[in-house]
Amino acid sequence: GQQVMQIPQYQHVQEGEDFTTYCNSSTTLSNIQWYKQRPGGHPVFLIQLVKSGEVKKQKRLTFQFGEAKKNSSLHITATQTTDVGTYFCAVNYGGATNKLIFGTGTLLAVQP
Amino acid sequence: KAGVTQTPRYLIKTRGQQVTLSCSPISGHRSVSWYQQTPGQGLQFLFEYFSETQRNKGNFPGRFSGRQFSNSRSEMNVSTLELGDSALYLCASSLFRGHEQYFGPGTRLTVT
Repeated sequence: GQQVMQIPQYQHVQEGEDFTTYCNSSTTLSNIQWYKQRPGGHPVFLIQLVKSGEVKKQKRLTFQFGEAKKNSSLHITATQTTDVGTYFCAVNYGGATNKLIFGTGTLLAVQP
Repeated sequence: KAGVTQTPRYLIKTRGQQVTLSCSPISGHRSVSWYQQTPGQGLQFLFEYFSETQRNKGNFPGRFSGRQFSNSRSEMNVSTLELGDSALYLCASSLFRGHEQYFGPGTRLTVT
């Protein structure tokens, strides 16, 4: 099926370290969404980015949309054990389909 | 508002059988999407329904089908089950197509 690449696939950090995951598309995007899925849970919506170069913050999380609207990043400052989970980007190419395609996900493990 | 509900939560079936999963979206949400999640393949898009019409379809065989009712509730059906169909099936609803999605807890299907 259609998927979008996220890197890294897996990241293990010590509590307090920073973490970044990247989402890359070869095609210009209409918008991008980020979701978090805790172990054993379901994806939960975090944020949507629409504008070129947009930067949004949620406490320790910073989301960025690339200038060309082809890539995005999620950065967590000073990770905590509550940040554990898989982070997915979901891209929308727009047009008639308006379909969301989920990225491959980045699994974050935080060691206390 | 009540969240997205899915029934049943767990299901065990044998190869060759068929199964129907149900999803009730958040009240007022008209778009319902279905995803298959497996450890190896991540979140794979199955289909999206809006106003009782299938708007998008992922790359799954015809054994996977769905429908949406006038109250926006949705069902998906898998016929002639295969071992590889074992997965977590997630339903997500959104107010508008392509907007932030709210996921249900999922149905864990095991095919033996």
